[in-house]
Amino acid sequence: DAGITQSPRHKVTETGTPVTLRCHQTENHRYMYWYRQDPGHGLRLIHYSYGVKDTDKGEVSDGYSVSRSKTEDFLLTLESATSSQTSVYFCAISQTDYEQYFGPGTRLTVT
Amino acid sequence: GQQLNQSPQSMFIQEGEDVSMNCTSSSIFNTWLWYKQDPGEGPVLLIALYKAGELTSNGRLTAQFGITRKDSFLNISASIPSDVGIYFCAGPGNTGNQFYFGTGTSLTVIP
Repeated sequence: DAGITQSPRHKVTETGTPVTLRCHQTENHRYMYWYRQDPGHGLRLIHYSYGVKDTDKGEVSDGYSVSRSKTEDFLLTLESATSSQTSVYFCAISQTDYEQYFGPGTRLTVT
Repeated sequence: GQQLNQSPQSMFIQEGEDVSMNCTSSSIFNTWLWYKQDPGEGPVLLIALYKAGELTSNGRLTAQFGITRKDSFLNISASIPSDVGIYFCAGPGNTGNQFYFGTGTSLTVIP
């Protein structure tokens, strides 16, 4: 298994509060990604990173920001959480452009 | 975003039966990936396809890249209970590192 951890694994927060999710890898892979998974939508890309301090938006980036100050860490921040951001969030890594390996996921509930 | 349609949405089969599922996209992909997701876990990469017409095997799993490059197929032979899960297809967009996932095929194997 690729060395990817996500924290926290579960979080309940209130509408309007900021939330930060962390993805940590031990594989030294170049690319890191954040997805959200919702019933009926599959996995949708939020943001991705192609190197330290190099990030770009994905398909559903509104309301989210990311940062990558070290190769091994990729942070996802919900600036002001809304109920529509209740979801399961997955981090993924890849060394090439294509073959991505996923973390265990973070279940976020916004009340 | 690009549309990836998977069919069927769900399957209920007897242990030992063969399984076939497919994925079609609204545009051409140069790569097709197939993932399996177990409940409460992240997707795991099963097979990667890189050439039109290519057929790749991984144990009892066989995946094929359609000639038009707008479709792909996954076959599982002699299904067993641990094949239960959701199977996703995925492919990269034409720009950057955008990845698009299908909505998944849920497989249930009845012992």
